[in-house]
Amino acid sequence: AQTVTQSQPEMSVQEAETVTLSCTYDTSESDYYLFWYKQPPSRQMILVIRQEAYKQQNATENRFSVNFQKAAKSFSLKISDSQLGDAAMYFCAYRSANQGGSEKLVFGKGTKLTVNP
Amino acid sequence: DTGVSQNPRHKITKRGQNVTFRCDPISEHNRLYWYRQTLGQGPEFLTYFQNEAQLEKSRLLSDRFSAERPKGSFSTLEIQRTEQGDSAMYLCASSPGSFHTEAFFGQGTRLTVV
Repeated sequence: AQTVTQSQPEMSVQEAETVTLSCTYDTSESDYYLFWYKQPPSRQMILVIRQEAYKQQNATENRFSVNFQKAAKSFSLKISDSQLGDAAMYFCAYRSANQGGSEKLVFGKGTKLTVNP
Repeated sequence: DTGVSQNPRHKITKRGQNVTFRCDPISEHNRLYWYRQTLGQGPEFLTYFQNEAQLEKSRLLSDRFSAERPKGSFSTLEIQRTEQGDSAMYLCASSPGSFHTEAFFGQGTRLTVV
């Protein structure tokens, strides 16, 4: 079974600074997707960024980028120029890409990010 | 609003009662997923549907839990004989299909069993 581990229950960052959230995962599959989801207080979870395991290039979405290390099974999220609106729970998630495989998302426990003005 | 809609948003029930939650996915999304999220944890998968077919169920989905998606549109999740351990946020998500990996989540139904 796949597992996702987020070792930082809480992180804080000053507005306009950069912060990195860590995620490691365990799988025996070779093809999969990795995600970072953001869950603001009392609001729905939204996708921040997605990485396909077969792609060596790290995904970027504006101020958000990942450092994907497949051999190390590591998938960290970097948020640059942090904004107050970035404050939320961030979840790392895994999904199999095997044809006919499970489509469920496996989530980590999350990291609560606080942005200080 | 064309997002995923979940009702009710909050439900308080007495132990032993049955409860039912509803999820309306984004129109024409054929995949619909249910997750449970307890305090301080990430969401845990419960089950998912492709149209009206239930394709996978987690071992977390005990015999007190049942989910349906009768016409391939909205879905219901029923919990019978609720227990205090069922208190959690129940999240619904939908996606257009298997090749669309992004899941769009609703705001959830928070269940409190007293």
